[in-house]
Amino acid sequence: GAVVSQHPSWVICKSGTSVKIECRSLDFQATTMFWYRQFPKQSLMLMATSNEGSKATYEQGVEKDKFLINHASLTLSTLTVTSAHPEDSSFYICSASSGQLYSNQPQHFGDGTRLSIL
Amino acid sequence: AQSVTQLGSHVSVSEGALVLLRCNYSSSVPPYLFWYVQYPNQGLQLLLKYTTGATLVKGINGFEAEFKKSETSFHLTKPSAHMSDAAEYFCAVSERQNNAGNMLTFGGGTRLMVKP
Repeated sequence: GAVVSQHPSWVICKSGTSVKIECRSLDFQATTMFWYRQFPKQSLMLMATSNEGSKATYEQGVEKDKFLINHASLTLSTLTVTSAHPEDSSFYICSASSGQLYSNQPQHFGDGTRLSIL
Repeated sequence: AQSVTQLGSHVSVSEGALVLLRCNYSSSVPPYLFWYVQYPNQGLQLLLKYTTGATLVKGINGFEAEFKKSETSFHLTKPSAHMSDAAEYFCAVSERQNNAGNMLTFGGGTRLMVKP
């Protein structure tokens, strides 16, 4: 149980393109979703959290207009990297929790998306 | 703010040898403690967690970790390494004091390499 599917797993695109990453909870309702960014050989950095139907809460230093997060349903959240540039290349990981933020319901992680901008 | 330190960004062991990955936290109030494993190009998989009760926690794949309050540590061990254990391991905490619940703070990670 508690499966999170992230798609695509790998994307390569030209600079200036906008890229959408999907995160789906397959067998539970994801009240809260988390988006992380991971640089090579580094730890996960939280980018933002979102509750279904509400605007995402971004961490300090994360550009809201660059990284658009939509959590329109209890099973789907999307991260859109707008006008992507090479410095946006990274590994993006989503996770989902059936509880509210700060609840004791654990995070379940997707397999990540490797984004490469040429 | 809570911080998590993983000593040693790289650990190399021989197959069959003991695995010891270190994790220390900074909070005066013991947090909830987690260990995750990440295989290449994949997300994180929960190995084990400590919330309350017995301080020695057993997880999947033969791993276990012991919470030591006096040392503010939660080191991960496995008696005998297997080649398939080669991966990145992350220690994470959630602040019990502030009811952080499912908000996690991650350590820097330790890459475990297993030599044949």
